[in-house]
Amino acid sequence: GEDVEQSLFLSVREGDSSVINCTYTDSSSTYLYWYKQEPGAGLQLLTYIFSNMDMKQDQRLTVLLNKKDKHLSLRIADTQTGDSAIYFCAESKGGKLIFGQGTELSVKP
Amino acid sequence: GAVVSQHPSWVICKSGTSVKIECRSLDFQATTMFWYRQFPKQSLMLMATSNEGSKATYEQGVEKDKFLINHASLTLSTLTVTSAHPEDSSFYICRGETSGGREQFFGPGTRLTVL
Repeated sequence: GEDVEQSLFLSVREGDSSVINCTYTDSSSTYLYWYKQEPGAGLQLLTYIFSNMDMKQDQRLTVLLNKKDKHLSLRIADTQTGDSAIYFCAESKGGKLIFGQGTELSVKP
Repeated sequence: GAVVSQHPSWVICKSGTSVKIECRSLDFQATTMFWYRQFPKQSLMLMATSNEGSKATYEQGVEKDKFLINHASLTLSTLTVTSAHPEDSSFYICRGETSGGREQFFGPGTRLTVL
């Protein structure tokens, strides 16, 4: 199976919270990342979490890490239409980044 | 934040021609460059990793003679798709990383369409 897995789609209403989930396989990953990709553009690093942390908050973004279950989530509070994009989680593995398939977030007004 | 640029941002070429894509780090020294390709609605697949002044290391299944990577300086890496075919049509993205991986930045990507 894939090293990193994500659900493919998420649809929310403007103002609601969005939670995007990710599972990874390498327990030795030092860092786990969340990226945002808008149509036709490269990837923008949103946030990352060090593997010895459980949670990291950065303004509207909250990352939760459950190392035992190898589960990572990204919560976006007060989701806006401008948050519509594809979100990728990635784990660092042997100096490389391994990406999930990406979750397409659709925010409806 | 630091900026990585790619040129061209999009290119259309005929089958059999070669295309060179440039990736420049504008205000940081990219000790390592990573090249990815992304098919529509799919994830990024790592093609190769290159360190400045060294030969690139290619991922399994990536033909090194077809995808030529040069990383001659800390601010420039190039990917040349030789004898391009329609199946090479994809979105190519570079990522620059500083020494020790302290900082990393993606380029905006290059859309290649081979007719």
